Amino acid sequence: NAGVTQTPKFQVLKTGQSMTLQCAQDMNHEYMSWYRQDPGMGLRLIHYSVGAGITDQGEVPNGYNVSRSTTEDFPLRLLSAAPSQTSVYFCASSHGDGRIKNEQFFGPGTRLTVL
Amino acid sequence: AQKITQTQPGMFVQEKEAVTLDCTYDTSDPSYGLFWYKQPSSGEMIFLIYQGSYDQQNATEGRYSLNFQKARKSANLVISASQLGDSAMYFCAMRPTGNTGNQFYFGTGTSLTVIP
Repeated sequence: NAGVTQTPKFQVLKTGQSMTLQCAQDMNHEYMSWYRQDPGMGLRLIHYSVGAGITDQGEVPNGYNVSRSTTEDFPLRLLSAAPSQTSVYFCASSHGDGRIKNEQFFGPGTRLTVL
Repeated sequence: AQKITQTQPGMFVQEKEAVTLDCTYDTSDPSYGLFWYKQPSSGEMIFLIYQGSYDQQNATEGRYSLNFQKARKSANLVISASQLGDSAMYFCAMRPTGNTGNQFYFGTGTSLTVIP
């Protein structure tokens, strides 16, 4: 299994550009989520999904869109990039069967810089 | 409200010594899971250990153990016999089961440096 994969690993954008961060998992996990990691702030939840066709907002959703058309894929779209979106982005997945023991598996992260 | 607090931004420990990383949490859910993750300088998130709110015994995984004090709402990570490779960021996380999203809540992390 490849686990959770993310592309690209690095990206530089200009203010106002749009882009999509890709995330895929091959573990048949129902639950997928996107986090951003900023220095001193830990990981903050952007959006999450409990299954194909179902998404919801997390703590910091503004400026981001998501969709979940398949169990495997959960792309994150930046509609109009801003310097405040400079961050490291992590995608994660886990089983969503309600067992609290299900840990999240993380992708390698995408380092995004917005100029 | 769900909240995880890690009050130690940075910690130092001598190689081969034990170290405790603090974590307190706040939740009104009766059932929840507590997790610790390690993030080395390479950036990946590595799952270390899990503790369920109804578990009677403290969790252990090799050199990692979790000092779970439910009444105090604390879930401290203990690393025994520290190694240089333990130098990393450590994040405490909670997963309450009362919400439909199975969301995880993370603390701000503790940076651990192991001194030779």
